[in-house]
Amino acid sequence: QKEVEQDPGPLSVPEGAIVSLNCTYSNSAFQYFMWYRQYSRKGPELLMYTYSSGNKEDGRFTAQVDKSSKYISLFIRDSQPSDSATYLCAMSEGRDDKIIFGKGTRLHILP
Amino acid sequence: DAGITQSPRHKVTETGTPVTLRCHQTENHRYMYWYRQDPGHGLRLIHYSYGVKDTDKGEVSDGYSVSRSKTEDFLLTLESATSSQTSVYFCAISKGTGRYGYTFGSGTRLTVV
Repeated sequence: QKEVEQDPGPLSVPEGAIVSLNCTYSNSAFQYFMWYRQYSRKGPELLMYTYSSGNKEDGRFTAQVDKSSKYISLFIRDSQPSDSATYLCAMSEGRDDKIIFGKGTRLHILP
Repeated sequence: DAGITQSPRHKVTETGTPVTLRCHQTENHRYMYWYRQDPGHGLRLIHYSYGVKDTDKGEVSDGYSVSRSKTEDFLLTLESATSSQTSVYFCAISKGTGRYGYTFGSGTRLTVV
């Protein structure tokens, strides 16, 4: 079992829809959870950051962590064509510098 | 990307030639990383550095070497380029410990012919 699993997609949704992106993980020691957004031909950029369980909201984006299920989600409300990108989940135990990345989900928002 | 610059942005090279990619940061971060990104494989760690002259191998280090003689510069060298090293290479920096996240550069697109 890989440490972090993420469906590669592509996921295509109409503009204005709610998008749900997910990752599962196996290491119960992960404490810090991140979502990166990567536009085509660009480097990943940190989008959301969460410590431990619970929800975090930032504008149209909500990150959710369920440590009991080892499952994290990113929700995008009122999706826009500019949200079309690859989204990578990432997580860390926080005790050293290591961050483990998912392989990314390609998202297409259709106008 | 603020504070981190990769050069060159694009490069085409021939099989068997050495190639050096450069990562330069102005954030004074201790940790620096080299990743390659390929379809179906995601980001794979090649080498990383936790200080000047302190480097270590990642999961796909064969055929690559690194050097860090100054805090701000981290060089990745392909000793004898092969077609399997055609990829997009990203540099990343971090304050240290995974709780802070990484900041990535814009990438170098390398083609080995």
